[in-house]
Amino acid sequence: EAGVVQSPRYKIIEKKQPVAFWCNPISGHNTLYWYLQNLGQGPELLIRYENEEAVDDSQLPKDRFSAERLKGVDSTLKIQPAELGDSAVYLCASSLGLGRDNEQFFGPGTRLTVL
Amino acid sequence: AQSVTQLDSHVSVSEGTPVLLRCNYSSSYSPSLFWYVQHPNKGLQLLLKYTSAATLVKGINGFEAEFKKSETSFHLTKPSAHMSDAAEYFCVVRGDYKLSFGAGTTVTVRA
Repeated sequence: EAGVVQSPRYKIIEKKQPVAFWCNPISGHNTLYWYLQNLGQGPELLIRYENEEAVDDSQLPKDRFSAERLKGVDSTLKIQPAELGDSAVYLCASSLGLGRDNEQFFGPGTRLTVL
Repeated sequence: AQSVTQLDSHVSVSEGTPVLLRCNYSSSYSPSLFWYVQHPNKGLQLLLKYTSAATLVKGINGFEAEFKKSETSFHLTKPSAHMSDAAEYFCVVRGDYKLSFGAGTTVTVRA
């Protein structure tokens, strides 16, 4: 069974440019998460989807970040415009649901460098 | 609110010796606790989880952790380190659905 797929794996852009990350969750997983992992820190939740609905986006900086999951399967996270401080690893995870026994499976992440 | 504190940012051990990674948690109710491992350029992988069953939890690759409510701790151990154990380890507490990660402990294994 394929795991969570993310692309690209690495992205280098100049500040003020837009960037987008793509995530394809494990088949059948209704819940999808985007996390931000700064260097030397643990991941922090940005947004959570239940099917196509964003049910928790309280930590998403909405002035420059946006996300979508139009058909309740794959998802895109966008930054426009990117700032130097956005350099980090962006992780996508998915789970069957919210039950305590439902493990979150993580993708390999996209490492963003903003110059 | 819930949080975890990993007491060591870096642990260095010799191959074949025990590994101990320390984690303290804070939670307003009975927590679910996890340890994840992250190898370079790889996704986070679940090592083990505690969800209010047995307090001694066994995970993959010979790791285990003990939940101690009186000490609010969930330390991770392995009796004999292998070179492949070199990685970043995260202690995680779960509230309703949200995972809160510690800052991580980097493990290096000396030959």
